Amino acid sequence: DVKVTQSSRYLVKRTGEKVFLECVQDMDHENMFWYRQDPGLGLRLIYFSYDVKMKEKGDIPEGYSVSREKKERFSLILESASTNQTSMYLCASSFRRVGQGVNTIYFGEGSWLTVV
Amino acid sequence: QKEVEQDPGPLSVPEGAIVSLNCTYSNSAFQYFMWYRQYSRKGPELLMYTYSSGNKEDGRFTAQVDKSSKYISLFIRDSQPSDSATYLCAMSRNDMRFGAGTRLTVKP
Repeated sequence: DVKVTQSSRYLVKRTGEKVFLECVQDMDHENMFWYRQDPGLGLRLIYFSYDVKMKEKGDIPEGYSVSREKKERFSLILESASTNQTSMYLCASSFRRVGQGVNTIYFGEGSWLTVV
Repeated sequence: QKEVEQDPGPLSVPEGAIVSLNCTYSNSAFQYFMWYRQYSRKGPELLMYTYSSGNKEDGRFTAQVDKSSKYISLFIRDSQPSDSATYLCAMSRNDMRFGAGTRLTVKP
């Protein structure tokens, strides 16, 4: 089975703090993704990466950055957390390269971030 | 207009009922069609995956794709309380687009 592991399930951070969300996948997938999920807004893509050290902006990249130093690991960084970044963050991975079609993606369990 | 439209519900049915969940889409380039199930405070899990038009069955679940109408469906037969979850449709070609999710409750 595909395993996407998000290291932190529940976090509470203060406004202005730097926040790191870590994600590891064990299936040698090329593509990795970060989404946020909010009631009424559904899943929104923040960033994705199709290779080590490569990154592409998604639909809502503002206020976020990412890092992919190893194929299996994809980190989401909130440089200066704000209350409007309180949300559920989902990491995902897939085995197809962008441009060759993305047919399925597999999600982690999610990280619930509250910024106070 | 959103690329993928999905009625958010909520949908409440008695145990044993047949459930029909639907999505419409506007981009005819989509080739892959998926349904995800998401339990409360969990990540979405892949339930069904189909390519192109037609039906695919897996146990009590049937996924149906009608590309000419840009319409996909998920049917759940003999629904169980354990099926209570939010169901997300998704479709892709070069990137993935999700519906907003339909919240389903199956009452014992």
